[in-house]
Amino acid sequence: EIVLTQSPGTLSLSPGERATLSCRATQSVSSGYLAWYQQKPGQAPRLVIYGAYKRATGIPDRFSGSGSGTDFTLTISRLEPEDSAVYYCQQYDRSLWTFGQGTKVEIK
Amino acid sequence: QVQLVQSGAEVKKPGSSVKVSCQAAGDTFSPYTFNWVRQAPGQGLEWVGRISPRLRATTYAQKFQGRVTITADESTNTGYMELRSLRSEDTAVYYCAREWQQLVSLFFDYWGQGTLVTVSS
Repeated sequence: EIVLTQSPGTLSLSPGERATLSCRATQSVSSGYLAWYQQKPGQAPRLVIYGAYKRATGIPDRFSGSGSGTDFTLTISRLEPEDSAVYYCQQYDRSLWTFGQGTKVEIK
Repeated sequence: QVQLVQSGAEVKKPGSSVKVSCQAAGDTFSPYTFNWVRQAPGQGLEWVGRISPRLRATTYAQKFQGRVTITADESTNTGYMELRSLRSEDTAVYYCAREWQQLVSLFFDYWGQGTLVTVSS
């Protein structure tokens, strides 16, 4: 089973700043099978990025994904107050899905 | 627009079973693979398993093997997740999510609203 480790655990930044979230896998992940989700308190997760770098429908262009192999990154270029949430990376391998433990983004 | 509507909250005794449903509306159910994900209070997302109704194929996370059964009823566009031998650690919100393939990408594009399962004596 591929394990995903996200860092940092919490990111506290001001509006307009850049957020860089990391997701590292114990084995190589197919880029097509790497996704990022945003979850706000009391809500279901929402797809942000799929295929490592493709923005989901309705996601602002300040969100971008990059990476390959075992290292992937979600970047929020200019933080807005509504970006405050927990972000999870997810991967698929041999019919099994796993999630990272999440990175909490706090807006000061 | 696909909507996944889950059954209501449940309170169960340790050792009992729970069955959560997820009804799809707004699109045809059977071509899609549905997944179940849980989230314990204050914790992260944990994948439980998936079912492809058309293929009648299921896959479960090793942690839940032997204790969970995921099924689907194409006639009512409904998916089910049954978890047995419940313990307090199973207290969580359980989500269903639709798995979607776009070219070479695979991801969860629609999620249910979540069902809180509380296990308590």
